[in-house]
Amino acid sequence: GAGVSQTPSNKVTEKGKYVELRCDPISGHTALYWYRQSLGQGPEFLIYFQGTGAADDSGLPNDRFFAVRPEGSVSTLKIQRTERGDSAVYLCASSNNVETQYFGPGTRLLVL
Amino acid sequence: KQEVTQIPAALSVPEGENLVLNCSFTDSAIYNLQWFRQDPGKGLTSLLLIQSSQREQTSGRLNASLDKSSGRSTLYIAASQPGDSATYLCAVRQGTSGSRLTFGEGTQLTVNP
Repeated sequence: GAGVSQTPSNKVTEKGKYVELRCDPISGHTALYWYRQSLGQGPEFLIYFQGTGAADDSGLPNDRFFAVRPEGSVSTLKIQRTERGDSAVYLCASSNNVETQYFGPGTRLLVL
Repeated sequence: KQEVTQIPAALSVPEGENLVLNCSFTDSAIYNLQWFRQDPGKGLTSLLLIQSSQREQTSGRLNASLDKSSGRSTLYIAASQPGDSATYLCAVRQGTSGSRLTFGEGTQLTVNP
């Protein structure tokens, strides 16, 4: 079956612009997670959805970051007024709450 | 705040060697610990998951152990192969922090033919 998919795979933008990153979880998975991975680092938690609601958004670094999951399936991570420090790989994962999180290939964001 | 550390940061070995990757965590109140593999430009693949009540898990040539009280886990890879070359990440799930995973920085493994 299909795994977690993320689009775009790569995104180059200019400082100050707005970007949206999309995640399609595995069908039927109720839990969805966003992580951010900087070069040479492990992934860092951003936000976790259970169904449509954000169960834990404590990892979002500031109010320029926002994520939605309106129908409990696809999620969009939105970044306003991008900064160079936002450059990273943004990883999405989904789970059916049975323990293992299944990760997508990530979106590589570069802010110039 | 939970902190996860992995040693070594990088490791290069000849094919056929047995090797051990180390992971330590500061808060022993974990729900489970997971080892992932990450290939360049790819997402993460789960290798082994150990519940907090378990001591070890095995899958093929991989064996992961957990000593929760001392905050340590090891990933043992037997008879390494060039195809094992990747970054290996350790992650813990806190029992008190919902479902988030806290990751180490990873060990970059190169197995030379």
